[in-house]
Amino acid sequence: QKEVEQNSGPLSVPEGAIASLNCTYSDRGSQSFFWYRQYSGKSPELIMFIYSNGDKEDGRFTAQLNKASQYVSLLIRDSQPSDSATYLCAVTEYGNKLVFGAGTILRVKS
Amino acid sequence: DTGVSQDPRHKITKRGQNVTFRCDPISEHNRLYWYRQTLGQGPEFLTYFQNEAQLEKSRLLSDRFSAERPKGSFSTLEIQRTEQGDSAMYLCASSLVTSEQYFGPGTRLTVT
Repeated sequence: QKEVEQNSGPLSVPEGAIASLNCTYSDRGSQSFFWYRQYSGKSPELIMFIYSNGDKEDGRFTAQLNKASQYVSLLIRDSQPSDSATYLCAVTEYGNKLVFGAGTILRVKS
Repeated sequence: DTGVSQDPRHKITKRGQNVTFRCDPISEHNRLYWYRQTLGQGPEFLTYFQNEAQLEKSRLLSDRFSAERPKGSFSTLEIQRTEQGDSAMYLCASSLVTSEQYFGPGTRLTVT
C-alpha cells in the first residue's frame, strides 16, 4: 500500500515568516511530487510540482526533494494570511494516479 | 482555457437513489481522473481514463459505481443505490499524459 504521510498541524506562523511543510512517502518508485493548496470547501489547486531530478522555485514557493530519505518539502517565504489553507502533498509513480497525504493545515497570523 | 468543470456542484439524495455526476476536462487533456474526498482526508483515487479507455479502477470503486467517457471528452460517474457512506466530495481532474493534474470544483454529495 503506497502511503504519503503529513503532519496534520495546524502549523501557525506569523505573517512574513517562512512556512515549512513536509511529507514523507513510502514508494521508492515515486517519480513526480506535487503540492496542492485547498481552501475550506474548495477543490485542490496545484501550486508546485517537481520531478525526481531536482528542486524547484517559483516566486515565494520552493519545493525540495530528498529521495534518499523519501521526503518532500514545501517552503513558503513571506507568508501571507491568504496562504492559510490545507496543503496536500501527492506523489505518482508513472504519471498516472495521485496518492495524497491527508494534508497539513497552515495558519498565517497577521 | 476554461478549466475543468463539474456538474452539479451539490447533490442531496436519499439513500437508495441513483446519482450521476458529469465532468468536462480541459479541452486538450486526454486523461481524466475521478477522486473522492471526505472531511479531513486527502483525495482518494477512484478511476481514470485515457481518451475513452478506462485504464485503472480502484478497489474503492464497488460495483455500485460506474464511470464512462464515451467519446474521450466529458465523463460521467454514476453511483447506484447510494449509501450514507457515499457522502463525500467527488473530484474530477484532467491532464495531458504523464503531466500534472488540474482539479475541477467538485461535486458535494450528501446522502440522507
